[in-house]
Amino acid sequence: GAVVSQHPSWVICKSGTSVKIECRSLDFQATTMFWYRQFPKQSLMLMATSNEGSKATYEQGVEKDKFLINHASLTLSTLTVTSAHPEDSSFYICSAETQGNEQFFGPGTRLTVL
Amino acid sequence: QKEVEQNSGPLSVPEGAIASLNCTYSDRVSQSFFWYRQYSGKSPELIMSIYSNGDKEDGRFTAQLNKASQYVSLLIRDSQPSDSATYLCAVHSGGSYIPTFGRGTSLIVHP
Repeated sequence: GAVVSQHPSWVICKSGTSVKIECRSLDFQATTMFWYRQFPKQSLMLMATSNEGSKATYEQGVEKDKFLINHASLTLSTLTVTSAHPEDSSFYICSAETQGNEQFFGPGTRLTVL
Repeated sequence: QKEVEQNSGPLSVPEGAIASLNCTYSDRVSQSFFWYRQYSGKSPELIMSIYSNGDKEDGRFTAQLNKASQYVSLLIRDSQPSDSATYLCAVHSGGSYIPTFGRGTSLIVHP
């Protein structure tokens, strides 16, 4: 299957700082990438859809000014959590979609905001 | 509102048995169907994709799709303790580029 990498795999930061997470499709080009958040023992929650070369589409309730998404190329999307607070601590997962609508997920980034 | 429903479980089966996981969806024009496995603390991984009615087999896994009844299922033969995980059903409609995920079914395979 296709491979998606995510970096960093975990990060601890102080409240008020910004954190950038990278998502790369390593062996295929992805026009569409998705960003999810998952709290412990809860289901995946779609945050936004990232399309190469255009603005991201955010789900209802997700602040676009707080979660900045950039999809600058067909293999890279980034999520920046601005002015992070403890309530932003979560497991952030990206996925890249193939032409057959199959999603391949990155390994996730565990964010802890102190 | 497109919905994908799964029984949250847990579904508990003995080692070696067949585990049957079910998923129903509300959008009749759905075209692509996927099963993902997620281990605790890890991200989901794609197990099976199915696009047309009938069965699709891959090793110990069989996906079954019935568009008329709007359900898709996943059978795991010869279940192993390593199959213990949460299984997510995802449905993709032709009219939307956003897939809809079910909440997942927790499977426990006990020795």
